[in-house]
Amino acid sequence: DGGITQSPKYLFRKEGQNVTLSCEQNLNHDAMYWYRQDPGQGLRLIYYSQIVNDFQKGDIAEGYSVSREKKESFPLTVTSAQKNPTAFYLCASSIDQGAREQYFGPGTRLTVT
Amino acid sequence: RKEVEQDPGPFNVPEGATVAFNCTYSNSASQSFFWYRQDCRKEPKLLMSVYSSGNEDGRFTAQLNRASQYISLLIRDSKLSDSATYLCVVNNFNKFYFGSGTKLNVKP
Repeated sequence: DGGITQSPKYLFRKEGQNVTLSCEQNLNHDAMYWYRQDPGQGLRLIYYSQIVNDFQKGDIAEGYSVSREKKESFPLTVTSAQKNPTAFYLCASSIDQGAREQYFGPGTRLTVT
Repeated sequence: RKEVEQDPGPFNVPEGATVAFNCTYSNSASQSFFWYRQDCRKEPKLLMSVYSSGNEDGRFTAQLNRASQYISLLIRDSKLSDSATYLCVVNNFNKFYFGSGTKLNVKP
């Protein structure tokens, strides 16, 4: 079964702690993306990567970091510098960097108290 | 100004009704367009791409109007299972911009 997996589904952390969200895909897609979604709002781009060992900041990258050491994996770290980390985090991939459709993982709901 | 704007709704319609959503985008150089469906607390799922000539997939029809910079989605013969939030997505230079979604409630 090809697809995108994210784990865990729900994550709870105390303020001041860094946390890493996992995203793995076996679709052989080159491009991967991280978004956050807040209630009643559209998805906002955090980071994206078009090839291995390369990634670009999106519109709201402050307080986040990523790595792309393998084609299949694009983990996101939410650092203590992120002021409002509680959100629904979605990972997506697309076949290449062109204007092709994206496919999403099931998301991780992060709550920081 | 937002890249993509949608009426948040909700649109409350009876089963069997025809309903249409519009979405406007701000960048005239936008290259590709999509409609996604998102169920409550789930990930968005691709409903259909939108082509310049318009396209249909069963009960769903998508149209693109580049001159006026809007795309539309028409759902015929609404089913209860169509209840969801519909996201308009626009691609500019390999970045995707999402509308905040239009909520549809189909009632028995």
